Amino acid sequence: DTAVSQTPKYLVTQMGNDKSIKCEQNLGHDTMYWYKQDSKKFLKIMFSYNNKELIINETVPNRFSPKSPDKAHLNLHINSLELGDSAVYFCASSQDRWGPNTGELFFGEGSRLTVL
Amino acid sequence: DAKTTQPNSMESNEEEPVHLPCNHSTISGTDYIHWYRQLPSQGPEYVIHGLTSNVNNRMASLAIAEDRKSSTLILHRATLRDAAVYYCILRALIGTGNQFYFGTGTSLTVIP
Repeated sequence: DTAVSQTPKYLVTQMGNDKSIKCEQNLGHDTMYWYKQDSKKFLKIMFSYNNKELIINETVPNRFSPKSPDKAHLNLHINSLELGDSAVYFCASSQDRWGPNTGELFFGEGSRLTVL
Repeated sequence: DAKTTQPNSMESNEEEPVHLPCNHSTISGTDYIHWYRQLPSQGPEYVIHGLTSNVNNRMASLAIAEDRKSSTLILHRATLRDAAVYYCILRALIGTGNQFYFGTGTSLTVIP
């Protein structure tokens, strides 16, 4: 069973369109995340979502909106796509506890978004 | 904004030890140091983590400086399967939860 799964794996779309990427985790974790990886392989946190508390990276444009129907799902919706949104988007989850034996992040395989 | 700095790339010969350095001079007292690696076309995977003391597991060892401003990931015998991008990360306590801050990563090439 895949622990963190994302769909679609590849997404090619035109500028100005609206698209969504779905993420599901079957690990029973409390917290889910979205990361953006640019062409230089830099991974940047976009959002984390825990028990209906959303922590937003303030540099993320408001065209990006996370939606969490339940604890196991965190979807990413993007409005009015721009060329600069082309990247690989990774979903991740972790158990939301603080301590020495917690905090491992589990990542999905990524969704490569190409905006033309 | 990355809170850790790493060399962009390193090379190692197969079956030799590899020492991957990381600087995190702004680390706070409660931040954990994590290492992840990313194989081609995959998501990052956990390698090891620690707070103050050195740590060992089946994959690697983590050596943490006494002032915690730097750390080193040690792969004892590099194999071709260890070729990946290695990320040094700080796990911070934000509110009651975790926040992970990735660096730019070191691309490790293993030479047969």
